[in-house]
Amino acid sequence: QQQVKQSPQSLIVQKGGISIINCAYENTAFDYFPWYQQFPGKGPALLIAIRPDVSEKKEGRFTISFNKSAKQFSLHIMDSQPGDSATYFCAASLSGSARQLTFGSGTQLTVLP
Amino acid sequence: KAGVTQTPRYLIKTRGQQVTLSCSPISGHRSVSWYQQTPGQGLQFLFEYFSETQRNKGNFPGRFSGRQFSNSRSEMNVSTLELGDSALYLCASSLGPGTATYEQYFGPGTRLTVT
Repeated sequence: QQQVKQSPQSLIVQKGGISIINCAYENTAFDYFPWYQQFPGKGPALLIAIRPDVSEKKEGRFTISFNKSAKQFSLHIMDSQPGDSATYFCAASLSGSARQLTFGSGTQLTVLP
Repeated sequence: KAGVTQTPRYLIKTRGQQVTLSCSPISGHRSVSWYQQTPGQGLQFLFEYFSETQRNKGNFPGRFSGRQFSNSRSEMNVSTLELGDSALYLCASSLGPGTATYEQYFGPGTRLTVT
């Protein structure tokens, strides 16, 4: 009930391409969905987050698409750059427990120059 | 504004020992959460502290404990270390309950190796 399933496990994209990472959740009580980026040897860095009252949120080259009925959300990275090569995690939390994040398993993104 | 700081960054301990990790949140943040990151289990929530009180606890044995001080700094302790406790321990800070923002910001982590 608390799981967040993330796919793909790894992704290779050419520079300038679009990277798409998908997540699905089970608990309909989740109401906060952030994405984190993690480089080796670093802690996860908050990229972008969405609440279920909107279907899309865009910040720069990063966009979250949210489908409440399908219980799915995705991260789109436009014009992917080699510097975007990192591991990406989706997460979800319950209202009132917003600091207790349930994470997906991660996607290792490689952007080829 | 300084980010989340964690000390020490690296630690090597022997099975059966105990360890204490420290976290200083972003200035003004009053909530501190701890997570364990391993290749096999991924990122898992340990516990959250706010106003020196534990608000939430994840599915970890009682060997894992924590506390928070009046200045919002937090420590976590692991007693009777096992090989499986080897992991990156991450601390995240946020403004806390009663605020309109949910964002959590992570520190660099403490890499614990148990031999």
